[in-house]
Amino acid sequence: DTAVSQTPKYLVTQMGNDKSIKCEQNLGHDTMYWYKQDSKKFLKIMFSYNNKELIINETVPNRFSPKSPDKAHLNLHINSLELGDSAVYFCASSPSPGNEKLFFGSGTQLSVL
Amino acid sequence: DQQVKQNSPSLSVQEGRISILNCDYTNSMFDYFLWYKKYPAEGPTFLISISSIKDKNEDGRFTVFLNKSAKHLSLHIVPSQPGDSAVYFCAASGTYKYIFGTGTRLKVLA
Repeated sequence: DTAVSQTPKYLVTQMGNDKSIKCEQNLGHDTMYWYKQDSKKFLKIMFSYNNKELIINETVPNRFSPKSPDKAHLNLHINSLELGDSAVYFCASSPSPGNEKLFFGSGTQLSVL
Repeated sequence: DQQVKQNSPSLSVQEGRISILNCDYTNSMFDYFLWYKKYPAEGPTFLISISSIKDKNEDGRFTVFLNKSAKHLSLHIVPSQPGDSAVYFCAASGTYKYIFGTGTRLKVLA
């Protein structure tokens, strides 16, 4: 029973399209995150939500819109995809914001052609 | 501006020997540090953590050392096993977020 699950695992799409990545955690955590791992393998935070409220937005373009319908879900919608959006996107959760273990999903490999 | 740095992109170690992975940080406000292990096509998995009030934490074969004055932490794996071959990330916890280093690829040779 996967603790943090995200779908799809692979996403191949054309430039200009809109796509969504879904994430769910069954750990009862209050805080969820989206991280981006770029071609240089750098894991960079994009967003952090605590109890469905946005607490961190790391100057991510407006084309990226996270949505948290409840504290177990944090979805990522991306409009007008660009080549530079190609990366691996990881969802994660923690019991509370900071100073606790982060649990990661297995990642979504996004390729924009 | 990279606040958490892992200056060695790769490390090779013989099976049974010690692996030492290093990490430096710049922000003295960080007060919790973690190490993660990542296999290809999987998410990072938690290995071990340390609070800034400690200088050492041990869990089985894994020990993390923290030197606050030097803003440096290290992960020791003893003895190293082939299954330890993976990318290791250190992370520092700041206000509501975790900052990750760029990772060190460890290869344990049989």
